[in-house]
Amino acid sequence: KAGVTQTPRYLIKTRGQQVTLSCSPISGHRSVSWYQQTPGQGLQFLFEYFSETQRNKGNFPGRFSGRQFSNSRSEMNVSTLELGDSALYLCASSPSPRASGSTDTQYFGPGTRLTVL
Amino acid sequence: GDSVTQMEGPVTLSEEAFLTINCTYTATRYPSLFWYVQYPGEGLQLLLKATKADDKGSNKGFEATYRKETTSFHLEKGSVQVSDSAVYFCALSESGGSQGNLIFGKGTKLSVKP
Repeated sequence: KAGVTQTPRYLIKTRGQQVTLSCSPISGHRSVSWYQQTPGQGLQFLFEYFSETQRNKGNFPGRFSGRQFSNSRSEMNVSTLELGDSALYLCASSPSPRASGSTDTQYFGPGTRLTVL
Repeated sequence: GDSVTQMEGPVTLSEEAFLTINCTYTATRYPSLFWYVQYPGEGLQLLLKATKADDKGSNKGFEATYRKETTSFHLEKGSVQVSDSAVYFCALSESGGSQGNLIFGKGTKLSVKP
């Protein structure tokens, strides 16, 4: 079974631009979560989507948004990029929504490395 | 709020040495506990997990026991290999309410020398 895939793997943008990252979950998994990893803040939860609905959200500004499609693929968008948005963005999938109390394991993709200049 | 504290790195060991990475947690409910590993340039891989007190998770020679009385989930391996060099993350996930996302520790970088 193929794992979680994320595209692109690397991105370079400049301040003020916007960016869209894509995540395809493991086949059959309907929950997709996004995390930001930085050297200073570590791994922080952004949001979770299930059945095309946002189920849970972390403490990030409104510039960070996401969506999920009917085939469970998800995208996250960051508008008006800032230097501090440079990070590794990780996507994780699981069969059921974690926000519902599921203890299903989350499986992570390789991440998208975003650099903001 | 919930949090995870793990020992600061980096940790440098010789091959075949014993490994312990300490992890303690604070949670308002009864969390599931995880260890994830991140190899250079890659995403996170689940190493092991435990979902209730006294459960022992194990995988690839690594073990960790869910200790409710000490709120700990220390990672151990009896004999490390060079290929174990990576960053290890302890994490928790509450199993109810509106939570469920993973809360991670800061990570511990392990380097194993031949």
